[in-house]
Amino acid sequence: LAKTTQPISMDSYEGQEVNITCSHNNIATNDYITWYQQFPSQGPRFIIQGYKTKVTNEVASLFIPADRKSSTLSLPRVSLSDTAVYYCLVGDHTGGFKTIFGAGTRLFVKA
Amino acid sequence: EAGVAQSPRYKIIEKRQSVAFWCNPISGHATLYWYQQILGQGPKLLIQFQNNGVVDDSQLPKDRFSAERLKGVDSTLKIQPAKLEDSAVYLCASSPGTRNNEQFFGPGTRLTVL
Repeated sequence: LAKTTQPISMDSYEGQEVNITCSHNNIATNDYITWYQQFPSQGPRFIIQGYKTKVTNEVASLFIPADRKSSTLSLPRVSLSDTAVYYCLVGDHTGGFKTIFGAGTRLFVKA
Repeated sequence: EAGVAQSPRYKIIEKRQSVAFWCNPISGHATLYWYQQILGQGPKLLIQFQNNGVVDDSQLPKDRFSAERLKGVDSTLKIQPAKLEDSAVYLCASSPGTRNNEQFFGPGTRLTVL
């Protein structure tokens, strides 16, 4: 079972900021939160990873509250090319250190 | 740096036939993953290797699926015999380690079982 919950889909317009929130109530102490992006007919691509507070790179920002039970991926000024599925993952301890992909959030950016 | 390579990119077979997929991970990456992604769903982990040992194969249908990673580098995933429900994209990924490491994915092999 996936350990994360995120919206199934979101719509946005070009130039807007998009925030996708992921719930992970059972996150373990040593787990990191990782976000991947997947375009059609491609494998997922790493976007950002964090443990707590805020992480920022050239693509996105990741906000993690103190209790770490949720996280928010922030995409600034999205473009049409940001239309993709976004997956939130945390480490899963059942039977080993595997990570589990949920269904993801389908982001559709409109002109 | 070369990425994860997979072949073939596409494969069409009839049910009950056999099929094999090949993956070459990024050089030096100890961990290799095989995922199955059915249309509209997230990738499902089938098997995870650490070097040439299996870390997790709890979701691998072992009556028909098998995988090996000889010498801790390349890997093959085989389905024998294939069923209609095996139609999916099979993704290979690699990472330097296991815990909390970024995974690098290949382009995938799209399998259609008729």
